[in-house]
Amino acid sequence: GEDVEQSLFLSVREGDSSVINCTYTDSSSTYLYWYKQEPGAGLQLLTYIFSNMDMKQDQRLTVLLNKKDKHLSLRIADTQTGDSAIYFCAESISDYKLSFGAGTTVTVRA
Amino acid sequence: SQTIHQWPATLVQPVGSPLSLECTVEGTSNPNLYWYRQAAGRGLQLLFYSVGIGQISSEVPQNLSASRPQDRQFILSSKKLLLSDSGFYLCAWSAGTPMNTEAFFGQGTRLTVV
Repeated sequence: GEDVEQSLFLSVREGDSSVINCTYTDSSSTYLYWYKQEPGAGLQLLTYIFSNMDMKQDQRLTVLLNKKDKHLSLRIADTQTGDSAIYFCAESISDYKLSFGAGTTVTVRA
Repeated sequence: SQTIHQWPATLVQPVGSPLSLECTVEGTSNPNLYWYRQAAGRGLQLLFYSVGIGQISSEVPQNLSASRPQDRQFILSSKKLLLSDSGFYLCAWSAGTPMNTEAFFGQGTRLTVV
């Protein structure tokens, strides 16, 4: 995960927006991903963005990609308690390998 | 649809004992298969991946080994566990094509070596 960096913790109030940031290093990455991990469970693919896109919106989720700065962000609108989890950013570094960040633990407080 | 099964969910093993974790995938053929380890408070470390039967690539030197006896079966093993082998182990699969690089994960195995 050392090629993908993200902050470790984020605390957000219920109903506010959460923004999770990630930087990556491989400019040839075809896809960039966001995964969600709930306690004691595996990783669930949340959303992804193709490298030729700047933005992708999917209901409460908005992914922004700045290829020049190699910066990826995930915005969760109207954050709910069920959004509390660890969020992983990942980049495809080949057809069969993903490189993951260390994960951002999001805590939603009432 | 594709599903991935990983077991057991939790395991407590003494130091020096052997280990065998199993992972199977349904609903797809010739998947790429992966074993990751997630240590507490850290990200995912890729341990092994396999692009076909009998083909295993090791990412980091360690006390573990992997085998792929069948197309959709991936096994993580150790002959003698160490305390440092404790962690959360995740199996995953991907289609491994340029337009399908996303990985799909099992529910994980929490291994505690005592």
